[in-house]
Formats: sequence, structure tokens, C-alpha cells
Amino acid sequence: KNEVEQSPQNLTAQEGEFITINCSYSVGISALHWLQQHPGGGIVSLFMLSSGKKKHGRLIATINIQEKHSSLHITASHPRDSAVYICAAPAGRSQGNLIFGKGTKLSVKP
Amino acid sequence: DAGVIQSPRHEVTEMGQEVTLRCKPISGHDYLFWYRQTMMRGLELLIYFNNNVPIDDSGMPEDRFSAKMPNASFSTLKIQPSEPRDSAVYFCASSLGRGGYGYTFGSGTRLTVV
Repeated sequence: KNEVEQSPQNLTAQEGEFITINCSYSVGISALHWLQQHPGGGIVSLFMLSSGKKKHGRLIATINIQEKHSSLHITASHPRDSAVYICAAPAGRSQGNLIFGKGTKLSVKP
Repeated sequence: DAGVIQSPRHEVTEMGQEVTLRCKPISGHDYLFWYRQTMMRGLELLIYFNNNVPIDDSGMPEDRFSAKMPNASFSTLKIQPSEPRDSAVYFCASSLGRGGYGYTFGSGTRLTVV
């Protein structure tokens, strides 16, 4: 069964800073997911990536399949980016459910 | 598509009462997941279905919890009898295929058992 670890657990940044959140997993996967949850809010899928890099606005996600590692970057961070960011990977090669990291709570100060 | 639709958004009930949560997945998605989220335990998988068939219910806390998916467009999670420790946000999600393509969460149901 896959194990997913995220770091850091908590992150405080000043507005405008470049932010990196890391995720590692133990079992080879077809794709990895990055999710976002605002306080008291729903869970939104940001990225699903299987190789290389994806970009959406100020958010960039990268993955290294060989090293079983992914990063989520936020450029020019803004207070509205404050949320919990969660990475998730398939539980196993033949399983359809996801295993979630414990999340990174990001707080961006103005 | 309207996304994954859950109802109700909020539910307050008394201990011992039956609670039914509902979920409509995205049309065409063949996987449906029920999760529970609490401050203490984070996001936990309760059960998931593939093509309306329960695949893994090992996360269901106990016999008080049951889930059904009578067809591809509807699923229910029932708690009977409810207890205060069941208070949590319950999320439904759906996806296409084993890789989780189009993984989409519903808005969640905030359940409070008093």
C-alpha cells in the first residue's frame, strides 16, 4: 500500500514569496494529485500529473517518477492562497482509491 | 456538468436518530468515494464503489454505517443510530478509471449529532 508524506506540515509566508510544498510516495504510480482546501471549505482538485510539469496561473506542479517525488510551487504568493494543500496518490497499482498526505497548512501574510 | 452534488449541506440531528447522506457523481465517472473529515483524523476513506459495486469498505467505522449505490447516478451513506462522535464533514467524490482522472469532490455534508 502506498504511503504519502508531505512537508512541511505548516508554512507561513509573506505576500509575494515563492512557496514550495513537497510530497513523496512509496509505490510507483500512474499519476499524482494536488488538492486545495480553504478553511471551512470544499476540496478542489488543482492538478493531476503523471510526468514533468504542469502550470495553472501562479501554481506549478512537478513530478519525478523515478524519485517518487512531487512539488507544488506558488509564485508571487497572495493571502488568498492561504489554504491546506494535500497531495494524493493511488493506493496501489490495481486500486482505484487515493491515499492522502496529511496536508500542508499555508498561511500567507499581507 | 454540475460536478458532484451532495445533500444536505448541513445536518443537525439528535443522538440515536438515523441520518442519510446523498451523493450524485459526475455522469460517466465509474468510481465513487465516501470520505469523512475531522480535525483529529483528517480525511479518511470510508468506502468506495466501482461501477456501483462496493470494492473496499474497510474504512467503515462499524455496523452503524452503511452505504449503497443502487445505480450509476446515486449513492447514499446511512448512519443508524447516530452518535455524537459521528459529527464530521462527509465528502463524496467521483473519478474515472483507476488513475483517478477527473477526481472531483462534492461540497460536503457537515453533520452535527447532539
